[in-house]
Amino acid sequence: GQQLNQSPQSMFIQEGEDVSMNCTSSSIFNTWLWYKQEPGEGPVLLIALYKAGELTSNGRLTAQFGITRKDSFLNISASIPSDVGIYFCAGQDRGGAQKLVFGQGTRLTINP
Amino acid sequence: ETGVTQTPRHLVMGMTNKKSLKCEQHLGHNAMYWYKQSAKKPLELMFVYNFKEQTENNSVPSRFSPECPNSSHLFLHLHTLQPEDSALYLCASSRSGARGRTDTQYFGPGTRLTVL
Repeated sequence: GQQLNQSPQSMFIQEGEDVSMNCTSSSIFNTWLWYKQEPGEGPVLLIALYKAGELTSNGRLTAQFGITRKDSFLNISASIPSDVGIYFCAGQDRGGAQKLVFGQGTRLTINP
Repeated sequence: ETGVTQTPRHLVMGMTNKKSLKCEQHLGHNAMYWYKQSAKKPLELMFVYNFKEQTENNSVPSRFSPECPNSSHLFLHLHTLQPEDSALYLCASSRSGARGRTDTQYFGPGTRLTVL
């Protein structure tokens, strides 16, 4: 099946730094989603991207749907302690609108 | 609070036990999902229900048996599980029906399952 490669697997940064993570695939996706998961909780949707080339922001978060439709990135600007968590990319599988393929996640740790 | 609740939050069971996980959504959605989240692996879709009908079974072993009595409730019945089934089991729901567009899936907090 389709797979997503998400990198980096983990990041250790200082508060205030910008963060960048990305996902790539060998196949095309029609939709890219970015989720955040905090300890003891399920993933929460941050940003949804529906069109190749689309650039969407949600506060300090910005995500882009790659032109080739095979990649996406997420940037977090001026990180704060509450940004800590695991960030997942997800793509809509060719099998249908309800089948999401998830990346392995990027664990973000912030030093105050 | 995402509007999706799961019980229990933690479960420890032996390989010969039978237990059930429960999920309830208060969002008026028509689609519900079970996912498995294992350490260091991507979330894996297990089952999808639309309007109480199972529309997806992602080659899940028969020791996992889902049940969807109505659009608001979803169960996962467990029997004769293996230690490698230990994982976080996440339920999600979505609106369903939007043609050609991925419906936003809202996740519950999960049930942390340990099989001894």
